[in-house]
Amino acid sequence: AQSVTQPDIHITVSEGASLELRCNYSYGATPYLFWYVQSPGQGLQLLLKYFSGDTLVQGIKGFEAEFKRSQSSFNLRKPSVHWSDAAEYFCAVGATSGNTPLVFGKGTRLSVIA
Amino acid sequence: EAGVTQFPSHSVIEKGQTVTLRCDPISGHDNLYWYRRVMGKEIKFLLHFVKESKQDESGMPNNRFLAERTGGTYSTLKVQPAELEDSGVYFCASSQAYPSDTEAFFGQGTRLTVV
Repeated sequence: AQSVTQPDIHITVSEGASLELRCNYSYGATPYLFWYVQSPGQGLQLLLKYFSGDTLVQGIKGFEAEFKRSQSSFNLRKPSVHWSDAAEYFCAVGATSGNTPLVFGKGTRLSVIA
Repeated sequence: EAGVTQFPSHSVIEKGQTVTLRCDPISGHDNLYWYRRVMGKEIKFLLHFVKESKQDESGMPNNRFLAERTGGTYSTLKVQPAELEDSGVYFCASSQAYPSDTEAFFGQGTRLTVV
């Protein structure tokens, strides 16, 4: 069965600092991988996705993620965090295609301090 | 283009009452999904429609939950009778049928509180 682990429940970073949110997945084949963000009062917004090809994917808002098959990881990074990045971030995996039900991690809440 | 919309945004009901949540997917999206997040836990899959047919309902918790998608457009999720453990945020998402390398678009969610 598929599973997603986000080991960090809550992370606090200073504005302007770099960020890395961890995500590990368990799935037998090459998965479809996603990062979503939920800002307060908003729905889930797709930051980026990996289906195949280049293992470093660029997303919106300056985020990127790297797929590492050997480590079963898909960590999210941003070189310089802005206060507006404070939100909850979810890593998710899909099975055979992008339009099959997703399995989510528990989410990582990001706080940004001045 | 309108995104996925969900109604209501919040609902507070008493245990034993009935609540109906509605989801309007993006126009033309054949796939419609319901997910739920109970406080402190991960977002969990409930149900997947392809057009008006239930493709996968393996995540539905029990028979108090009934989902419909008449005509393959909007969907409703009814909880009857509601229990305390049904509290959480219910998300709806939709996606195109093709190509396969697509993504699901989510609504804002309905926060359900059962007291």
